[in-house]
Amino acid sequence: ETGVTQTPRHLVMGMTNKKSLKCEQHLGHNAMYWYKQSAKKPLELMFVYSLEERVENNSVPSRFSPECPNSSHLFLHLHTLQPEDSALYLCASSPGTGSSQPQHFGDGTRLSIL
Amino acid sequence: RKEVEQDPGPFNVPEGATVAFNCTYSNSASQSFFWYRQDCRKEPKLLMSVYSSGNEDGRFTAQLNRASQYISLLIRDSKLSDSATYLCVVSGGATNKLIFGTGTLLAVQP
Repeated sequence: ETGVTQTPRHLVMGMTNKKSLKCEQHLGHNAMYWYKQSAKKPLELMFVYSLEERVENNSVPSRFSPECPNSSHLFLHLHTLQPEDSALYLCASSPGTGSSQPQHFGDGTRLSIL
Repeated sequence: RKEVEQDPGPFNVPEGATVAFNCTYSNSASQSFFWYRQDCRKEPKLLMSVYSSGNEDGRFTAQLNRASQYISLLIRDSKLSDSATYLCVVSGGATNKLIFGTGTLLAVQP
């Protein structure tokens, strides 16, 4: 019963496909995040949005394109991905961007690039 | 040096055992500290925040030593359901950037 919902749960796509990951939070939070989790690596922060404005982009390749139409929804648009992009993509939200505020995660989308 | 370092484990312990995890962080300006739990193929979930004075939540006790840049988590009376990966997380800066350790795998055995 997570307050952060991600779809789809699993996605298999070819390198030439275009797809989008969706995240929706029902917690009334103002900040949303995209993370990437690869096997045997720590979670890597990709993007941070605060009140629909992107406030951080952690040197993510342009084949990943985030979109935040409102404070409840966050998308990650994917195009021409590489095999090394296969990973678990996690969305998170927090009340604000203050450092003492823990983040709540969605179930993640497990992405496989063929 | 990694920003957050943890022993990856696995820690294999019997039910009822006491187990301790350690974590070190490199940025002395870090402001907030957390332990998250992640079950296999699931999302991370906040277990507890860590305060300078130490804090306890049931069987779980967290400690922070700012001088040594060291965080610990103690689990008493381990249950089978405690089996998971425990992530040490450090935060700081204007955008609440969380820095995750790679996690410590705990397997509690009957």
